[in-house]
Amino acid sequence: AQKITQTQPGMFVQEKEAVTLDCTYDTSDQSYGLFWYKQPSSGEMIFLIYQGSYDEQNATEGRYSLNFQKARKSANLVISASQLGDSAMYFCAMREGLGSARQLTFGSGTQLTVLP
Amino acid sequence: GAVVSQHPSWVICKSGTSVKIECRSLDFQATTMFWYRQFPKQSLMLMATSNEGSKATYEQGVEKDKFLINHASLTLSTLTVTSAHPEDSSFYICSAPPRLSEQFFGPGTRLTVL
Repeated sequence: AQKITQTQPGMFVQEKEAVTLDCTYDTSDQSYGLFWYKQPSSGEMIFLIYQGSYDEQNATEGRYSLNFQKARKSANLVISASQLGDSAMYFCAMREGLGSARQLTFGSGTQLTVLP
Repeated sequence: GAVVSQHPSWVICKSGTSVKIECRSLDFQATTMFWYRQFPKQSLMLMATSNEGSKATYEQGVEKDKFLINHASLTLSTLTVTSAHPEDSSFYICSAPPRLSEQFFGPGTRLTVL
């Protein structure tokens, strides 16, 4: 079974509007972390936001927020006030277990295009 | 924020040659680093976990004799692709976690084997 599922291969959003990128995960661990990354065409992986499994509040970082629904095992990324520079591939990832020395498992990604 | 550098950013080599890629954590120590590979229009796939002071841990299907990993210090890990072939052409990217809530990636290395 897929550990991280991103069901939207591509998404379009109008500039200045908000967009939600979906991510569901599968784990039997009680302790885990969820990450979102942005990958522009240059290839670099830009860290956006992190949500720990024990965090009671949804994480927020500027225009990015994570809609964490633990019971549904979903960790959707919300980008508010979209900008043309937000056009990129977005990856959801999970680290299972405690300890930073654990690898991330990535979803298949969502290609976001912001329209002027 | 924490920075991870990677060198070279791109390399073109002839089939049969070896290529070394360096990954450095610039402002933090990393006892563990990760090496990923990404083919065009695909996601990142973990190749191996690099551990300072011990042998690397390779994912299933990754040839450890072909992809040599050396974690020389708390800030440097190297990946050497030995006897590279065209099918090894890919985007290689490393990452390091300064803390539980963060994992930063290097800018990646695009390898083309002719």
